[in-house]
Amino acid sequence: GENVEQHPSTLSVQEGDSAVIKCTYSDSASNYFPWYKQELGKRPQLIIDIRSNVGEKKDQRIAVTLNKTAKHFSLHITETQPEDSAVYFCAASMWAGNMLTFGGGTRLMVKP
Amino acid sequence: DAGVTQSPTHLIKTRGQQVTLRCSPKSGHDTVSWYQQALGQGPQFIFQYYEEEERQRGNFPDRFSGHQFPNYSSELNVNALLLGDSALYLCASSVEEGGTGGAIPYGYTFGSGTRLTVV
Repeated sequence: GENVEQHPSTLSVQEGDSAVIKCTYSDSASNYFPWYKQELGKRPQLIIDIRSNVGEKKDQRIAVTLNKTAKHFSLHITETQPEDSAVYFCAASMWAGNMLTFGGGTRLMVKP
Repeated sequence: DAGVTQSPTHLIKTRGQQVTLRCSPKSGHDTVSWYQQALGQGPQFIFQYYEEEERQRGNFPDRFSGHQFPNYSSELNVNALLLGDSALYLCASSVEEGGTGGAIPYGYTFGSGTRLTVV
């Protein structure tokens, strides 16, 4: 089955700096890669997703890149703000409604 | 438009007992998936229901079972509870690509979860 590895497990940045979180996946059949933000005690919320026919997608301060050949994808957050502090999860699946395999999560701390 | 709703929000059970968790999907969604999230870890897929049938199943024992009703709502049942079953149980709804959802996004929408504590 699919295996998703996520790095780093914790990331501390200064407000205004950029943050990058990286994930690798094992199943070449995966073609949908969402990113979720989970604040303490709350539900995971989809922040951006990308499909395998696209190499990059951007939404304001958030961007995701996908390298299907190398089987890795990354989340980029620019101009970080304290409210970006949360746990971020990457995931992979074969299509958008299918089962998701999650990475282990990255705790992002943005220091004011 | 209500999102995914789960009940109860918190639950405390004793080892060996049985528990039922409930989920109502987002309007227009017809697929319900259940995940277990242990503290400090990513969610792990339990199973998915579509058209009242279990369509996919993760690596969970038969103590975990479920059901989907004609109105697309779903239940997760766990028998013979173990201490290790303590976790946040998340329900997610979605809609089949190319289905009748119209403008509703295809991807998962998670509920707020049920925090199960087994003592």
